[in-house]
Amino acid sequence: GPKVLQIPSHQIIDMGQMVTLNCDPVSNHLYFYWYKQILGQQMEFLVNFYNGKVMEKSKLFKDQFSVERPDGSYFTLKIQPTALEDSAVYFCASSLVLNTGQLYFGEGSKLTVL
Amino acid sequence: GDSVTQTEGPVTVSESESLIINCTYSATSIAYPNLFWYVRYPGEGLQLLLKVITAGQKGSSRGFEATYNKETTSFHLQKASVQESDSAVYYCALGDDNYAQGLTFGLGTRVSVFP
Repeated sequence: GPKVLQIPSHQIIDMGQMVTLNCDPVSNHLYFYWYKQILGQQMEFLVNFYNGKVMEKSKLFKDQFSVERPDGSYFTLKIQPTALEDSAVYFCASSLVLNTGQLYFGEGSKLTVL
Repeated sequence: GDSVTQTEGPVTVSESESLIINCTYSATSIAYPNLFWYVRYPGEGLQLLLKVITAGQKGSSRGFEATYNKETTSFHLQKASVQESDSAVYYCALGDDNYAQGLTFGLGTRVSVFP
């Protein structure tokens, strides 16, 4: 089936540094999402993105977070600066349309902030 | 806020046995949420298994079934006879009609099927 690729699969950084998580969505999809899962907790919605803009974001999407998809390449999540509580697995997802709930997820990028 | 509670794993079953994973939901912001089961097989990303958007209806896929019960706010996943290839982590989720705030997921239930 359609695949969403995430790079890197695991990253360890020091608190205060910047990190960029990359997502290669399904090729013809138009809507892009990031979810965050802290160890032992549910996966939670961060943001969705369409046509170059953030459509919706949750309260977890702090000011230090930003998303973009320059020139139709990777869909990225940037955190600058990082904090200890940003340690989590971040899942990227994409969908062709918005109102079906059918999302395709990547395997996740595990971020460890020391 | 909205929440989803599901059977705590891990769940271990033998091949050809039946499986049920319980899911109950609380939707404070949505009168009639859309309900989903997602699955993550080893080495793969999360993918949609089935969904039901109308209360009282049943969804099915790959031998799995789930019925949307608004009286008991439940959406249990069942399969009559599991196979080793059903070993995966299963997630119950809910969303509103436009998914503007994304999907609300349960914690996931790891299922291991042994031959």
